[in-house]
Amino acid sequence: AQSVSQHNHHVILSEAASLELGCNYSYGGTVNLFWYVQYPGQHLQLLLKYFSGDPLVKGIKGFEAEFIKSKFSFNLRKPSVQWSDTAEYFCAARGYQKVTFGTGTKLQVIP
Amino acid sequence: ETGVTQTPRHLVMGMTNKKSLKCEQHLGHNAMYWYKQSAKKPLELMFVYNFKEQTENNSVPSRFSPECPNSSHLFLHLHTLQPEDSALYLCASSMGTSGNEQFFGPGTRLTVL
Repeated sequence: AQSVSQHNHHVILSEAASLELGCNYSYGGTVNLFWYVQYPGQHLQLLLKYFSGDPLVKGIKGFEAEFIKSKFSFNLRKPSVQWSDTAEYFCAARGYQKVTFGTGTKLQVIP
Repeated sequence: ETGVTQTPRHLVMGMTNKKSLKCEQHLGHNAMYWYKQSAKKPLELMFVYNFKEQTENNSVPSRFSPECPNSSHLFLHLHTLQPEDSALYLCASSMGTSGNEQFFGPGTRLTVL
């Protein structure tokens, strides 16, 4: 069955620290990958997505993610986090017709 | 009003009550979804509708009954729920179901007593 794993459930960083959130998926076929973000009190919204082409995808607010097919990974990165990045981050994968979400990672950025 | 709206935002109900959750999208999308978000669990896809037709039901108990009268409106009818059904219920919409970005509503926080 298709699944998505997010390794870190809760991450605490100081401002200006670098961020990397892990995401691994299990699906052998063609896959579309997404990172969604949910800021406190707000809706889930798309941060970035990968369908095909350049495996390094750039999203909003300085976030990027790299698709590594051989590792079934789609890790989210940001070189320098800000307090306003405090949120919950969800990785999602779409295999054959179905979208599967990970459990989410709560990021807390300390000023 | 733009985006995806959901009402009510909070709902408390007893196990014998019947209630309905409503979702409306103003984005011109043709696919709509119900998700259940519980603490420490992945977002669970419950139902998918594409052009008003249900295309996916992920083994959801029959006490949850969806209804999609048109591409802009989606309901979730609730009946004889259990306390473990307490969760945040999210509605989303997209243009088709072939992997396009889903736009989410704010959710309905449901508590079953």
